Amino acid sequence: RKEVEQDPGPFNVPEGATVAFNCTYSNSASQSFFWYRQDCRKEPKLLMSVYSSGNEDGRFTAQLNRASQYISLLIRDSKLSDSATYLCVVNDWANAGNMLTFGGGTRLMVKP
Amino acid sequence: EPEVTQTPSHQVTQMGQEVILRCVPISNHLYFYWYRQILGQKVEFLVSFYNNEISEKSEIFDDQFSVERPDGSNFTLKIRSTKLEDSAMYFCASQWDSGYGYTFGSGTRLTVV
Repeated sequence: RKEVEQDPGPFNVPEGATVAFNCTYSNSASQSFFWYRQDCRKEPKLLMSVYSSGNEDGRFTAQLNRASQYISLLIRDSKLSDSATYLCVVNDWANAGNMLTFGGGTRLMVKP
Repeated sequence: EPEVTQTPSHQVTQMGQEVILRCVPISNHLYFYWYRQILGQKVEFLVSFYNNEISEKSEIFDDQFSVERPDGSNFTLKIRSTKLEDSAMYFCASQWDSGYGYTFGSGTRLTVV
């Protein structure tokens, strides 16, 4: 079974902190990687795609290590509005088309 | 920003009844999906739809489930005879092209009693 594993948390951090989430995936054939954000009882929203060379979008930095099958998300200067569940998501296009496999999510709570 | 629209937002149904969940994907998107999330659990893939046919489906998507795109805008999920374990949030999603992230709708919370 192809799985995506995440530490469920919660991670409780003060505003302004830097926090990092990790994710491992079992399917070595995975080709596309994403971080989604999900607020309580809401839909997942695409935060960023993750590229092999690593990529940054403002305060968010994503890294991919294909050899270790490991993805990370770093959030700098945390804001109260960053409080949410962060979902690691992978896709094995060659074998499963566009189906996304979701991790269980890591819950982040940013406190004043 | 374009949205995926789902109706109703919440549906309560008796076990054994049929339900139809409705979605209007983003108009120029080519790929359409249904996912579900049982409370407190992972988001799970149900089915993908492209070029007016199912392209992939999971083992959850058994004979009780069907999808349809009856016109150029709507995309529906039908559950023929609901079970208690079908209670979940059902998310529709659409995607412009392969390899891109999806846009999810706000979901339909289905409660089977």
